[in-house]
Amino acid sequence: DGGITQSPKYLFRKEGQNVTLSCEQNLNHDAMYWYRQDPGQGLRLIYYSQIVNDFQKGDIAEGYSVSREKKESFPLTVTSAQKNPTAFYLCASSYPGFEQFFGPGTRLTVL
Amino acid sequence: LAKTTQPISMDSYEGQEVNITCSHNNIATNDYITWYQQFPSQGPRFIIQGYKTKVTNEVASLFIPADRKSSTLSLPRVSLSDTAVYYCLVGDMTPSGGYQKVTFGTGTKLQVIP
Repeated sequence: DGGITQSPKYLFRKEGQNVTLSCEQNLNHDAMYWYRQDPGQGLRLIYYSQIVNDFQKGDIAEGYSVSREKKESFPLTVTSAQKNPTAFYLCASSYPGFEQFFGPGTRLTVL
Repeated sequence: LAKTTQPISMDSYEGQEVNITCSHNNIATNDYITWYQQFPSQGPRFIIQGYKTKVTNEVASLFIPADRKSSTLSLPRVSLSDTAVYYCLVGDMTPSGGYQKVTFGTGTKLQVIP
């Protein structure tokens, strides 16, 4: 079964801690993306990557970091520099120029 | 990037056809129009994409007038399970055209009533 997975589904973090959200895809897509969604709002682009070992900042990259060491994987680290990290995080992938396929999301809560 | 404007919310009865219009006055020549559907606590799902005139698939139709400054997503005979948020996106989908940075606005929240 081809698809995109995210883990964990729910994540709780204490203030000052870094946490890493996992995103894996077996669709052979070159491009991968991370979005943040706050309640009642649309999606905002955090980072995207078009190829392995390359990634670009989106609209709200401050306080986040990513890596793209493998085509299938695009983990997102939420650092302690992100002042308001509680949100729903969505990972997506696509062929260049084609529609995006989204994962089920990770809901991060800061305690 | 072209800005889009959609109604914030719409209500419809089950079995009716629903039309959601998206305005994109500054659409560029290479821009495509794409619609996604999102259920609560899930990732968006692609519905349909088009460039001009009419596109139809098994779930929806997309109508784009000649000037391409607006588009209409048409959902035939909606059911309760179509209650969701619908996003209209406009962007250059060519590999070098900035497709990565198409933006999701707040979308249209469709409520289907029994």
